[in-house]
Amino acid sequence: DAKTTQPTSMDCAEGRAANLPCNHSTISGNEYVYWYRQIHSQGPQYIIHGLKNNETNEMASLIITEDRKSSTLILPHATLRDTAVYYCIVRVDKLIFGTGTRLQVFP
Amino acid sequence: EAGVAQSPRYKIIEKRQSVAFWCNPISGHATLYWYQQILGQGPKLLIQFQNNGVVDDSQLPKDRFSAERLKGVDSTLKIQPAKLEDSAVYLCASSLGARPWETQYFGPGTRLLVL
Repeated sequence: DAKTTQPTSMDCAEGRAANLPCNHSTISGNEYVYWYRQIHSQGPQYIIHGLKNNETNEMASLIITEDRKSSTLILPHATLRDTAVYYCIVRVDKLIFGTGTRLQVFP
Repeated sequence: EAGVAQSPRYKIIEKRQSVAFWCNPISGHATLYWYQQILGQGPKLLIQFQNNGVVDDSQLPKDRFSAERLKGVDSTLKIQPAKLEDSAVYLCASSLGARPWETQYFGPGTRLLVL
């Protein structure tokens, strides 16, 4: 079973920041937090991952709370092409996907 | 850099027929995974290879599913005989290794419909 809890769906206006929360209150010290997204009819796309520190790349930022029990994925300027299902996964070996958050970006 | 390649992209078969899917991982990636994604659900791991050896096949229905990775590069996943409930997208992923910080990259998937 997935070890994360995410909202089922979220909306975001184009050009605004999209903040996707994830709860992982039972995370272990050696588990990484991974984010993937899946655009309709495509395979999952890797976004970002982190262990303890906040991370940023060209796609997004990952903010992990100090107690590591939750995290937030930030898409700084959402576009229509960011409409997708976003999966938050805690991983020590396998990737175990839940049902994710369906993000709808509207004009 | 080329991504993970899969073929075919779509397949329609009748129940009790057999079907095979092919995956070519990213060059140099030692670890290869097959996932099954049923409509409305997240992907579920079926089998994991490290080079040409099986690391984890605990979720593979071995009475009808088989997979191989000869020479530690390409892989095939076979279903024989297919059932209606096998209708799903079959995703292949690869990574440099299996350590938790080594990212998995996914192919586009093969969409299977069993009638």
